[in-house]
Amino acid sequence: EAGVTQFPSHSVIEKGQTVTLRCDPISGHDNLYWYRRVMGKEIKFLLHFVKESKQDESGMPNNRFLAERTGGTYSTLKVQPAELEDSGVYFCASSQGGANVLTFGAGSRLTVL
Amino acid sequence: KQEVTQIPAALSVPEGENLVLNCSFTDSAIYNLQWFRQDPGKGLTSLLLIQSSQREQTSGRLNASLDKSSGRSTLYIAASQPGDSATYLCAVYAGGFKTIFGAGTRLFVKA
Repeated sequence: EAGVTQFPSHSVIEKGQTVTLRCDPISGHDNLYWYRRVMGKEIKFLLHFVKESKQDESGMPNNRFLAERTGGTYSTLKVQPAELEDSGVYFCASSQGGANVLTFGAGSRLTVL
Repeated sequence: KQEVTQIPAALSVPEGENLVLNCSFTDSAIYNLQWFRQDPGKGLTSLLLIQSSQREQTSGRLNASLDKSSGRSTLYIAASQPGDSATYLCAVYAGGFKTIFGAGTRLFVKA
């Protein structure tokens, strides 16, 4: 079984540019989550999809962040325009059912200069 | 509001030593607690999952305990090896499809 796949693994952009991160969950997992770890801080919840619907986006920092999950398969997280404080590692996870046992991807490291 | 604290923040031990990592959480109403491992540039690897009804879980040289009433969990690593060097994260799930993480303990095992 393929795991959760994220790309790019690392992205370096300048302040004001746009970046799109992609996550492919485990096939058949309806629940997809985005988390973020900024330097020295805890991993924090961003949002949760069930299939293509956003169930909870209470962790999204501001309206520069847009997450989508078209067709309930892969998800994208777009940051536009990127700011310095957006630097960190963005993790995607997926789960099946309600047990909330998450399988995490390798993360996408974002560096904003 | 659930908060998860991990102590120590960093730990350096010689190879072969047994060690304990600590995790505490403020709200005992949890469904489960997980210990993860993160290697530099890698994702999160789930090590052990303890359901709220369980007291401990074991996998190889790892043993995790859970005392829900006191809001504590420990991860015991026996006979540590250099390959155990990584950041260890504790995370609790208390419903609402949100997992709450601690800041992690960075472990370095010296050969």
